[in-house]
Amino acid sequence: SQKIEQNSEALNIQEGKTATLTCNYTNYSPAYLQWYRQDPGRGPVFLLLIRENEKEKRKERLKVTFDTTLKQSLFHITASQPADSATYLCALVDYGGATNKLIFGTGTLLAVQP
Amino acid sequence: ETGVTQTPRHLVMGMTNKKSLKCEQHLGHNAMYWYKQSAKKPLELMFVYNFKEQTENNSVPSRFSPECPNSSHLFLHLHTLQPEDSALYLCASSAGQGSEQYFGPGTRLTVT
Repeated sequence: SQKIEQNSEALNIQEGKTATLTCNYTNYSPAYLQWYRQDPGRGPVFLLLIRENEKEKRKERLKVTFDTTLKQSLFHITASQPADSATYLCALVDYGGATNKLIFGTGTLLAVQP
Repeated sequence: ETGVTQTPRHLVMGMTNKKSLKCEQHLGHNAMYWYKQSAKKPLELMFVYNFKEQTENNSVPSRFSPECPNSSHLFLHLHTLQPEDSALYLCASSAGQGSEQYFGPGTRLTVT
């Protein structure tokens, strides 16, 4: 069956360290993968998109990697700050059926301790 | 804020009520979406509209009825809901299907 799995446990790290979040997928062949941030009671906010032919993408303190062999994407936040505390969602495009739709993982809750 | 607005932000309704959720996007996008988000579960896609035409109905019960009068507005009409329908309902838009999506703040719905 098709699955998208993210770290099910919350990730607690110290301020200033690098947070690494994992997204693994099964039985999909996505052309690209997206990462979103969601704060409690709010809608997700788009962060980064990485294509299958891109190994790595960066935006300020964020870095995303995409390994289509391992079927995995890693999301890194360097020099983490308490304000980075949120749930991070990965999503991939499912091209099956009549609609190209985004399929979301359950998200990983990141808590950055001061 | 993201350019996608939703009203109301909070809604409490009884199982026999009829209410509507409204979404408006100011981004010039062609695709609009309704999602349901329950605790500890991934975002569940409910409906997709592309250029005002419904292209996806993800086996959603008929007590949820979407309406898309134009590319900027999307409604979700609710009637005879069940307590398990209580959730955060999110609207999103994108330039095309599969592109990055821009979400509204959501409507927190409680069915009593």
